[in-house]
Amino acid sequence: AQTVTQSQPEMSVQEAETVTLSCTYDTSESDYYLFWYKQPPSRQMILVIRQEAYKQQNATENRFSVNFQKAAKSFSLKISDSQLGDAAMYFCAYKDGSRLTFGEGTQLTVNP
Amino acid sequence: DAEITQSPRHKITETGRQVTLACHQTWNHNNMFWYRQDLGHGLRLIHYSYGVQDTNKGEVSDGYSVSRSNTEDLPLTLESAASSQTSVYFCASSESEGPAAQYFGPGTRLLVL
Repeated sequence: AQTVTQSQPEMSVQEAETVTLSCTYDTSESDYYLFWYKQPPSRQMILVIRQEAYKQQNATENRFSVNFQKAAKSFSLKISDSQLGDAAMYFCAYKDGSRLTFGEGTQLTVNP
Repeated sequence: DAEITQSPRHKITETGRQVTLACHQTWNHNNMFWYRQDLGHGLRLIHYSYGVQDTNKGEVSDGYSVSRSNTEDLPLTLESAASSQTSVYFCASSESEGPAAQYFGPGTRLLVL
């Protein structure tokens, strides 16, 4: 079974600074997809960014970008120019077929 | 706008009672999923469905059931609620396989006393 590991239960960053959240996964598949979801205090799960494993180019969405290292099975999320509204729990997720497997999450605090 | 809704948003029940949590999506997605979220465990898959009349067990399906009679709805039933089922429950939907992300409902907080 696929597993997703987020080794940082908590992270903090100063407003306007950059922070990187780590994620590793284990799979024997070659074709899969990776996602980062954000869960603010409202508990709503919000899609932040996605990456197709067959694409070498790292995905970017405004201030959010990923560092996808397929051989290392690593998928980190970089948040640039952090804002107070970025404070949330962040979940890394792996998908092959239709099912998602989630990591346990990283709680991000943004300090003013 | 298309959306996915859950009801109720909060529920308190007693052990042994049957409880049904509703999930309704207007995305016209074939795939629907139920997760529970507990501290230290992230989101764990309970049941899922790839279309009408199709249901499948996830990793934590014991004590839960689902049925899919139409595209829009996937109700989750706790046959006999237990205190261990106190949790936050999320419904999600997605298009079929591939890069399509899952879209989540707002969650239902269930307390079993």
